[in-house]
Amino acid sequence: QTVVTQEPSFSVSPGGTVTLTCGLSSGSVSSTYYPSWYLQTPGQAPRTLIHSTNIRSSGVPDRFSGSILGNKAVLTITGAQADDESDYYCVLYMGGGIWVFGGGTKLTVL
Amino acid sequence: QVQLVQSGAEVKKPGSSVKVSCKASGGTFSTNAISWVRQAPGQGLEWMGGIIPIFGTPKYAQKFQGRLTITADESTTTAYMELTSLRYEDTAVYYCARMLDSTGYYIEVWFDPWGQGTLVTVSS
Repeated sequence: QTVVTQEPSFSVSPGGTVTLTCGLSSGSVSSTYYPSWYLQTPGQAPRTLIHSTNIRSSGVPDRFSGSILGNKAVLTITGAQADDESDYYCVLYMGGGIWVFGGGTKLTVL
Repeated sequence: QVQLVQSGAEVKKPGSSVKVSCKASGGTFSTNAISWVRQAPGQGLEWMGGIIPIFGTPKYAQKFQGRLTITADESTTTAYMELTSLRYEDTAVYYCARMLDSTGYYIEVWFDPWGQGTLVTVSS
């Protein structure tokens, strides 16, 4: 069973730039996995940041961007703010009507 | 604006079943493109399965095959998730989420909006 991999944790300074990755335990992520990214704060339901690799969801600031870099999907946050401190999840389409979430990255801004 | 409102928290005994509902309100919405995602305490999100129009029958993650049933009632715009043979490790918050798609083939999909979540506790 293919596992979707994410860094368990990451730290960024306020105003800094951070790149979170979403990979596969076997193989490379491409745009045909249609990666999407979600932010979840404690006790809340997730909300969409990015879909279809690089399309920002409505209302999402343009300091959030998505792309494919090498063999992974990435979420880049530029000019990190304190309230960006959250859990970030990617999800990939595996084919045959099956999606798999990554394990999530806990982002700390300090 | 579509909102998904889920049923309330449940406490179930091991071996029993739970059925969680997810009612859509506001805007035009079809309940035939819904996924269920769960999150165990302190853990990440896990896609369980979904009703996806082009596939005819619901799709389930292999882990839940045989224990999970996802249905939808278009007349009441309500989707349901039933999980049987509950185990302690099924204790989690269960979310429903609409599946949006930009191609018509339900491959370029994202999940939005999400329900508020339903806590299911399995305890003897």
